Amino acid sequence: AQSVTQLDSQVPVFEEAPVELRCNYSSSVSVYLFWYVQYPNQGLQLLLKYLSGSTLVKGINGFEAEFNKSQTSFHLRKPSVHISDTAEYFCAVGPLRSNDYKLSFGAGTTVTVRA
Amino acid sequence: DGGITQSPKYLFRKEGQNVTLSCEQNLNHDAMYWYRQDPGQGLRLIYYSQIVNDFQKGDIAEGYSVSREKKESFPLTVTSAQKNPTAFYLCATSGRAGETQYFGPGTRLLVL
Repeated sequence: AQSVTQLDSQVPVFEEAPVELRCNYSSSVSVYLFWYVQYPNQGLQLLLKYLSGSTLVKGINGFEAEFNKSQTSFHLRKPSVHISDTAEYFCAVGPLRSNDYKLSFGAGTTVTVRA
Repeated sequence: DGGITQSPKYLFRKEGQNVTLSCEQNLNHDAMYWYRQDPGQGLRLIYYSQIVNDFQKGDIAEGYSVSREKKESFPLTVTSAQKNPTAFYLCATSGRAGETQYFGPGTRLLVL
């Protein structure tokens, strides 16, 4: 089984400042990882995913994440945020090379961007 | 227009009543999922289905039921046995294990 810990429940940030959202996971097998964004009263939208290959993954809206196997982390970063980045962000993990379809989600990080 | 449709957007349940949430997809995905979202708890898996006529319990299946009679549809029934049903319910689909899960817009269930 896998589990995910998002280390910050709330992250306030000023417009045009950088932001980092931290995600740690635990698993006894190799994993694939996702970051999703959720705007109020909407479904989740995929930001980026890591399955294999380069550990630096680029996603939509200027976001990127780095997979660190030794630290079992998958932190999300954006160098300069906009007001429109105000949302909740979820990290998710699933088992690689398995018939197990289930993802485990973190509790979420609420990002509030202020002018 | 491809995607995942959930209806209704808001649903009100009276005490002792069963209610059914609809999830339809035209992405031709084999797998479908139901999640419950409560503030500060992330997403919790209720049921999932990998193929038609087959489904498995997730982490919080008690008080819920599902069916998968068609590839495109995966309705969720919230039964009267679910004592705390107020939440945001999300349906998702994926092509197969390891692929991205795509989410519908959600249904918010409220108890009268």
